[in-house]
Amino acid sequence: KAGVTQTPRYLIKTRGQQVTLSCSPISGHRSVSWYQQTPGQGLQFLFEYFSETQRNKGNFPGRFSGRQFSNSRSEMNVSTLELGDSALYLCASSLAATTNEKLFFGSGTQLSVL
Amino acid sequence: QKEVEQNSGPLSVPEGAIASLNCTYSDRGSQSFFWYRQYSGKSPELIMSIYSNGDKEDGRFTAQLNKASQYVSLLIRDSQPSDSATYLCAVKAGYALNFGKGTSLLVTP
Repeated sequence: KAGVTQTPRYLIKTRGQQVTLSCSPISGHRSVSWYQQTPGQGLQFLFEYFSETQRNKGNFPGRFSGRQFSNSRSEMNVSTLELGDSALYLCASSLAATTNEKLFFGSGTQLSVL
Repeated sequence: QKEVEQNSGPLSVPEGAIASLNCTYSDRGSQSFFWYRQYSGKSPELIMSIYSNGDKEDGRFTAQLNKASQYVSLLIRDSQPSDSATYLCAVKAGYALNFGKGTSLLVTP
């Protein structure tokens, strides 16, 4: 069974640009969560989608947005990039009916903002 | 701010010993508790979940939960060099899952 797939693996952008990250969950998983990981803050919850609806969100500005498609694939968008957005962005899928239970993480997208 | 605290380490143990990893949390309403393992340059991998007070064993791993003391621990028996990784404690209250910054474990041959 294929795991969670994230693309691209690496991204380099400049301040002010926008970026879109993609995530394909494990087959059958309808919940997709996005996390930001930095050395200073650790793992922080961005938002979670379930059946094409954002079910929960963390404390990030509106520049961070996402969506989920009918096949459960999800995209995350960050607009007007700032230097502080440089991080590893992890997508996680889950079979559980409730948010943030037993997550399976993808390999992540390493975003560098110059 | 819901906090999850872990000693950053590194925690160094000899091969074959028991590694004990600890975690404290601030939100008394927390209901679900998880341990994730993250190898360097890799993504986190779920290794244990625990929901009620007491011990839960899975192979060489034992998770311990004490809600009164707001304390979660992970014991790794017969530690192997392949167990060397960062161990993340995650605590869920409501829908929010808060991660600690992790404890680095080094198992020396």
